[in-house]
Amino acid sequence: GQSLEQPSEVTAVEGAIVQINCTYQTSGFYGLSWYQQHDGGAPTFLSYNALDGLEETGRFSSFLSRSDSYGYLLLQELQMKDSASYFCAVRDHTDKLIFGTGTRLQVFP
Amino acid sequence: SAVISQKPSRDICQRGTSLTIQCQVDSQVTMMFWYRQQPGQSLTLIATANQGSEATYESGFVIDKFPISRPNLTFSTLTVSNMSPEDSSIYLCSVERKYQETQYFGPGTRLLVL
Repeated sequence: GQSLEQPSEVTAVEGAIVQINCTYQTSGFYGLSWYQQHDGGAPTFLSYNALDGLEETGRFSSFLSRSDSYGYLLLQELQMKDSASYFCAVRDHTDKLIFGTGTRLQVFP
Repeated sequence: SAVISQKPSRDICQRGTSLTIQCQVDSQVTMMFWYRQQPGQSLTLIATANQGSEATYESGFVIDKFPISRPNLTFSTLTVSNMSPEDSSIYLCSVERKYQETQYFGPGTRLLVL
């Protein structure tokens, strides 16, 4: 079967750095994406990695290691508004997105 | 980007009834999808809505329970038929454009079945 595993919850304080990991086992792999979802809101796209390495977009960075079937989302200079759920997602051999179990991030003052 | 609206935003329904959810996009898109999300859980793909042909359903979802229409490139409907309390969930519409990685989501429809 297909699985994308994430920690269920992560907590941190404002200004800190937090890393959210994602390990995947899928039938085919065509890239790893990250989505953010605030409570009651729609998921919104954050980043995409097709190749190994680090992609940086402002305070957020995303990393991929295809040989390890592993990626992470790094959030720097945390702000209260970053409190949300974060989902990794893999595009599989059928070209559909498979979403991870999700990580709830709580940022405290 | 894509601006997506869904109607209704929320509803409370009696078991045994059906509800049709509408998804409207502000411009033509290649792909449209329907997801289900239980509160605090991940997103589960129900089906891909195909323009002009029958939807493609994922394992565990069938057309009789979740009929889908997509009459054009900007509009789709999902019907939740013969509802039971287990159908209580958030139903999300999403879209993709060809050759783009980003998937855009609608605001969701929050359904409670009593």
